[in-house]
Amino acid sequence: EDQVTQSPEALRLQEGESSSLNCSYTVSGLRGLFWYRQDPGKGPEFLFTLYSAGEEKEKERLKATLTKKESFLHITAPKPEDSATYLCAVQAAEGYSTLTFGKGTMLLVSP
Amino acid sequence: DAMVIQNPRYQVTQFGKPVTLSCSQTLNHNVMYWYQQKSSQAPKLLFHYYDKDFNNEADTPDNFQSRRPNTSFCFLDIRSPGLGDAAMYLCATSKKGTSTDTQYFGPGTRLTVL
Repeated sequence: EDQVTQSPEALRLQEGESSSLNCSYTVSGLRGLFWYRQDPGKGPEFLFTLYSAGEEKEKERLKATLTKKESFLHITAPKPEDSATYLCAVQAAEGYSTLTFGKGTMLLVSP
Repeated sequence: DAMVIQNPRYQVTQFGKPVTLSCSQTLNHNVMYWYQQKSSQAPKLLFHYYDKDFNNEADTPDNFQSRRPNTSFCFLDIRSPGLGDAAMYLCATSKKGTSTDTQYFGPGTRLTVL
């Protein structure tokens, strides 16, 4: 059974204080690992897809990296508007499979 | 802009009173999904349509049904809502057959059961 564990559950940062969110996964062959941002009361917003170990993607202050067992979402010099819940999900390679989500990391950036 | 639209954004119903949630998309994607998300929990897949083919998750209660009359629209019917069905319901779409198969989500419908 595919599993995704995100840590920490919640993270409080000061504006400008860089940090990383972790997503550990077990899957029977990875087709893709996805990062989403979810604001309170809204649907998840797509950020990145990573396909193979060693891959990195960047968007503004966010950089996602992937190894064979985990992914990191690095946040550089965060701003209050980066406050949100960040969700990680995996899709298995076999057949056509759906996404398995983690519970997310709730990030709060204080000015 | 191409997008996923959900209506209504907020729905209040009474215990046992049937309710229908709506999702439409302008992305021309062939797969549509319905998720249930409760507070501080991961989205839980209820079912999905690949074109007209319906795929039900094994643990989705019979109380939940879905219809997809055409490519653009998909409906979630809750036949007899219970208090435990209060949640955010998320619709998502993807295009199977592409390299990314990324799911794009709508804004969600918050369901309250009184």
